[in-house]
Amino acid sequence: DAGITQSPRHKVTETGTPVTLRCHQTENHRYMYWYRQDPGHGLRLIHYSYGVKDTDKGEVSDGYSVSRSKTEDFLLTLESATSSQTSVYFCAISAHDRVRSGNTIYFGEGSWLTVV
Amino acid sequence: GENVEQHPSTLSVQEGDSAVIKCTYSDSASNYFPWYKQELGKGPQLIIDIRSNVGEKKDQRIAVTLNKTAKHFSLHITETQPEDSAVYFCAAVYGGSQGNLIFGKGTKLSVKP
Repeated sequence: DAGITQSPRHKVTETGTPVTLRCHQTENHRYMYWYRQDPGHGLRLIHYSYGVKDTDKGEVSDGYSVSRSKTEDFLLTLESATSSQTSVYFCAISAHDRVRSGNTIYFGEGSWLTVV
Repeated sequence: GENVEQHPSTLSVQEGDSAVIKCTYSDSASNYFPWYKQELGKGPQLIIDIRSNVGEKKDQRIAVTLNKTAKHFSLHITETQPEDSAVYFCAAVYGGSQGNLIFGKGTKLSVKP
């Protein structure tokens, strides 16, 4: 358990409405990530953060924005949701793992978003 | 751009048999290769990983091999059990970054009792 909580876990929203997904971590990790998962595409990086107010784009960032005003929270916002953003969204953190002798990525349980 | 190819996309084995999933990567600078298992409705769980300074790593019934020259790595599961049924993803870190991973598209493994 990497201490990651995603909310909401499930959401249905209408096209054109704003949506914010929250990722909360309890262990003060510096790096946090948002991925989306779609059939036939695997997991793709949307945005990531390497510290408070420090964020960068990933592979599929169009239509998404992020904010990190405190270490424990990383928010993903869909400014105007579209049907193509129907997906499962996973938050992840990078944590130093003594057993594995390096940093490893751990995922949350996911947020299922349906845009109708 | 960077890419990770994963094969096969589906794999069905009998309980007790071995399963092998193969991945190739394109970024020669990649130095970290994790494998994740994802059960239905859950997030991906790290099951094993390998760094570029070793060629093989084992953890009980699972093992991963890495061939940096050929840029491919494989997951081996021996004595498969029904609870091994899941989707498995390989990944490779790219761009020398902290942890930005590129994932394969996944392999759905079914273990038949």
